[in-house]
Amino acid sequence: DAGVIQSPRHEVTEMGQEVTLRCKPISGHDYLFWYRQTMMRGLELLIYFNNNVPIDDSGMPEDRFSAKMPNASFSTLKIQPSEPRDSAVYFCASGYINEKLFFGSGTQLSVL
Amino acid sequence: GIQVEQSPPDLILQEGANSTLRCNFSDSVNNLQWFHQNPWGQLINLFYIPSGTKQNGRLSATTVATERYSLLYISSSQTTDSGVYFCAVGNDMRFGAGTRLTVKP
Repeated sequence: DAGVIQSPRHEVTEMGQEVTLRCKPISGHDYLFWYRQTMMRGLELLIYFNNNVPIDDSGMPEDRFSAKMPNASFSTLKIQPSEPRDSAVYFCASGYINEKLFFGSGTQLSVL
Repeated sequence: GIQVEQSPPDLILQEGANSTLRCNFSDSVNNLQWFHQNPWGQLINLFYIPSGTKQNGRLSATTVATERYSLLYISSSQTTDSGVYFCAVGNDMRFGAGTRLTVKP
C-alpha cells in the first residue's frame, strides 16, 4: 500500500480564500484523523471519523472549518474563509481501532 | 478529556548514550502509541503499547496502565534518533507536547 496520501504538499493562499485539503487513507482502515500542528499549540486533534462517520469534531476551531468523508477512501478538510492564523501543517492519519496509527506527509498551509 | 504530559521537554545526548522518555496520562486508556517526528516532519509510528513491554532494535517501550504512565527507552543513541518523540493516548489519539531529542556526534 502507498500509505496515507495527502494533497497538496504545500498550499499558499491569500486571506479570505477557500482552502481544501485532501486525504486518501490506507485501504481498509476504518478510522481517519485530522490534526493541525503549530509551534505554539503542538499537535491538535481537529476531528476523527469511524466508518466515514464523524465521531468527535470538538477540536474544529470554528465554523470556518469543515471536514467530510464521503466514502472510505477519501476525506477533505475545508477552511472558508482562510485567515493567517490558520497557517500550520495539517496531518491526516488512518488506522484500525487499537492498532497502529499511520500518518500522511502533511500539508504545509500558508495564509498570507 | 485525557491529559497527556511528557517529560523531559528537551534532551541532549552524546552519541552512544541511553535515554528514557516518559509519558503520563490522566485516565485509564486502552490505546497508547509512541511516535517519532523526524527533522523533515514525518511522523513515524514506533509502538502500539497499551500495556506491557515491547522492543524493536535499540528502542523499547513499557506501559504500566494501572499507574498511568509509559516509558520509551532509547539505547546506544545515534544522530538519526534526533527529532521529537510523542505519545498519543485514547481512542481519540490525543498527543502530548513531545520530547525534543538531540543526539550529538
